[in-house]
Order: sequence, then structure tokens, then C-alpha cells
Amino acid sequence: SAVISQKPSRDICQRGTSLTIQCQVDSQVTMMFWYRQQPGQSLTLIATANQGSEATYESGFVIDKFPISRPNLTFSTLTVSNMSPEDSSIYLCSVVGRGVRTDTQYFGPGTRLTVL
Amino acid sequence: GNSVTQMEGPVTLSEEAFLTINCTYTATGYPSLFWYVQYPGEGLQLLLKATKADDKGSNKGFEATYRKETTSFHLEKGSVQVSDSAVYFCALSGPGNQFYFGTGTSLTVIP
Repeated sequence: SAVISQKPSRDICQRGTSLTIQCQVDSQVTMMFWYRQQPGQSLTLIATANQGSEATYESGFVIDKFPISRPNLTFSTLTVSNMSPEDSSIYLCSVVGRGVRTDTQYFGPGTRLTVL
Repeated sequence: GNSVTQMEGPVTLSEEAFLTINCTYTATGYPSLFWYVQYPGEGLQLLLKATKADDKGSNKGFEATYRKETTSFHLEKGSVQVSDSAVYFCALSGPGNQFYFGTGTSLTVIP
């Protein structure tokens, strides 16, 4: 399976600020996803990060709030903008595709965000 | 559409007890089915998977069989350990590799 790292692993941020989360994979992958896991909840897909084009957002998530970049096949960032306490969650990236099993998602360790 | 319904928790068992966590699904086509595990403070790890009807996925003593007739993928383990305490998620993969997750079942195993 792929080795996926996320930075930062956790952070505590002030209301109104922004945080950029990085996801790095040790092999080229075709698909990268960003999820949110609110406390005690299941995973909610935020968007699919597309290499070289705009991300595809799920209902309820918008680019202005969660801008995503994917400059190549091994790296992506998610920014949580103008944060409020409701954004306190675990943010997870996952990957599918080239170099790993093509029908399986592998997850990073997550970024634990607390907004005060 | 696609969806996963998972047994609600929390589940508390004594060490060496038998574990079953129920999972049923609704899907178009023939999805792959997965169980992921999330240990405290960590991300999700793939526990096992099955790609077609009657396949059995297994790992670390856990098993699940893809039952098309009952649209189920129940997770079982014959003898749980304290180290199995975690949250377990059932999932299916739909078109375009989009995943659908259950709500998660928290398991606590007490010595």
C-alpha cells in the first residue's frame, strides 16, 4: 500500500484564520480525496483533488471555504479558510490508483484541527 | 443509490468474546466492500476487503463475507483482544471510486 503523510498532524487555530494541510504520497496516484471527520462522526467527502484542474466539490462544500491544490500526482493541499469553531474536525486525505490497488482507498493519518 | 448501514454502537465486550458488527449495503452494480479500522488518535487503516459475491476478506483474525443475497458484509472475530478497541467503518466503492461509509461502530474490549 502507499505511504501517505499529512502535515501538520494537529493544530490549534484562532477564529478567522486559515490553515493549509499538506498530503504527500510516496508513489504516483490517480485520485486523491479530502474528507472531514467531525468529532464522533463518520467521514464526509469534501472534494476530489484533480491534478492540473479545479477540484470537484461535494454538495455543501465550496472552493472559497476549502481551496484545494494538486500540482502533481503525489501531492495535494487543502486550505480551511476563515475558520470558525464548527470547522474543528479531523481532516483526512486518501488516495486511489496508479501504484496502489485501484479499487481501494488508503488514508493518511489525519490532521486534527481545533478552532478556538 | 449507494449507501451503507452499520450497526450502531458503542459495543463493549470482554476479552476473548466473539465479535459481530453488522453491515448492510445498497448499491447499483457490483461494488467492492471494505472494513476500515480507526485506532484512537489515528487515521483509517484498511482492515479487509472483498470484491465480489461470496468472497471472504480476512486479516488479523477478522473476517467478513460478501453476501449478495442478503446485501451484507458483517465483520466477525472469534476472540477479541484489548488491542482491538477501535472504531470500525464499513464502506463500499461506487462509480468513479467514490466511497460510501457507514457511521462507524465503536468497540471497547475490557480485560
